[in-house]
Amino acid sequence: AQKITQTQPGMFVQEKEAVTLDCTYDTSDPSYGLFWYKQPSSGEMIFLIYQGSYDQQNATEGRYSLNFQKARKSANLVISASQLGDSAMYFCAMREGLLTGGGNKLTFGTGTQLKVEL
Amino acid sequence: EAQVTQNPRYLITVTGKKLTVTCSQNMNHEYMSWYRQDPGLGLRQIYYSMNVEVTDKGDVPEGYKVSRKEKRNFPLILESPSPNQTSLYFCASSRITSSPLHFGNGTRLTVT
Repeated sequence: AQKITQTQPGMFVQEKEAVTLDCTYDTSDPSYGLFWYKQPSSGEMIFLIYQGSYDQQNATEGRYSLNFQKARKSANLVISASQLGDSAMYFCAMREGLLTGGGNKLTFGTGTQLKVEL
Repeated sequence: EAQVTQNPRYLITVTGKKLTVTCSQNMNHEYMSWYRQDPGLGLRQIYYSMNVEVTDKGDVPEGYKVSRKEKRNFPLILESPSPNQTSLYFCASSRITSSPLHFGNGTRLTVT
């Protein structure tokens, strides 16, 4: 079974609109962390936001927020007020075993290509 | 400036010719890891290291070797590259395992 599933290969959004990128995960470990990364066309990987499995509140970082629904095992990224510079590939990732000395493996989804249009 | 430095950025080689991709970080991170990125497959972990002289296999270790003799360096070695190792490679590091990974700029390898 896939550990991280991103079901949207590509998304389009109008500039200034909000967009949600989906991510579901599969783990039986109680301690894990969820990450989102942005990869623009230049290729570098940019960390956006982090959510720990024990965090009580949804993470937010500027225009990025994470809609964390633990029971549904989903960690969707919400980008508010989209900008042209948000056009990029977005990866969801999970790190398991954070409290058991693990956390050695960061599993990535296959990514969602976001295109922001005027 | 805190960074992970990979070299080279681009590499074209022939089947069977040994090569090394270097990775160095200046953040004193214990954890370092190598990933390969292929279209439609996301990033897959090749090897990781929790500290000096401590390395272990990730999901796709076949055909690769690593070493961690110093904390800052984590080279990726392809003893006998094959065309199916053509890919975009990333080195990454982090301070503790719940911290986000800091990535290098990537190495695009082509094996003909």
